[in-house]
Amino acid sequence: DAEITQSPRHKITETGRQVTLACHQTWNHNNMFWYRQDLGHGLRLIHYSYGVHDTNKGEVSDGYSVSRSNTEDLPLTLESAASSQTSVYFCASSESNLHEQYFGPGTRLTVT
Amino acid sequence: AQSVTQLDSQVPVFEEAPVELRCNYSSSVSVYLFWYVQYPNQGLQLLLKYLSGSTLVKGINGFEAEFNKSQTSFHLRKPSVHISDTAEYFCAVSAETSGSRLTFGEGTQLTVNP
Repeated sequence: DAEITQSPRHKITETGRQVTLACHQTWNHNNMFWYRQDLGHGLRLIHYSYGVHDTNKGEVSDGYSVSRSNTEDLPLTLESAASSQTSVYFCASSESNLHEQYFGPGTRLTVT
Repeated sequence: AQSVTQLDSQVPVFEEAPVELRCNYSSSVSVYLFWYVQYPNQGLQLLLKYLSGSTLVKGINGFEAEFNKSQTSFHLRKPSVHISDTAEYFCAVSAETSGSRLTFGEGTQLTVNP
């Protein structure tokens, strides 16, 4: 069965370190998204991609970057982790804007 | 730009009671509307969606929602809830012109008590 996976599921890192969160989908979807979930804010879009080599900034993109070298993967990099980036991160993919987004299980990131 | 307001952050109900989770949106263009559910320590899964056509949409697990364009609302309802419906529910909107990008509300925690 097709799926979307994220790794690691839990990560603790120190302020200032570079961190990369992985997202892999086997749906063969062109559209991929990264969100962060914080209490009182719901899910907020960080970055998104509509295809290979396409990346776009979402509403909370500062301090984050993504790259899309193939259809299956959209890794999210925190260049220099900050305590404000402690959050739960979700990756999602979709076939088109008429189709639902499929979500991964999430990565809980703690920056100390 | 679009925005979504979920009017209740927490909704406690007793088992077998009806429930309504309220969602209002704002947008200057036509929208697609979604309800997602998140069980503890899991990702989100789709309950139902409105793209066009009938304004009453039926989803999984006995949930339904009604799109009301004049009131810019998309309230979620279930006539009789179960303990297993305890979860966080998110309303989301996607504008026709914004590709697949979703704007989420802040979520409503539904707690079903015995």
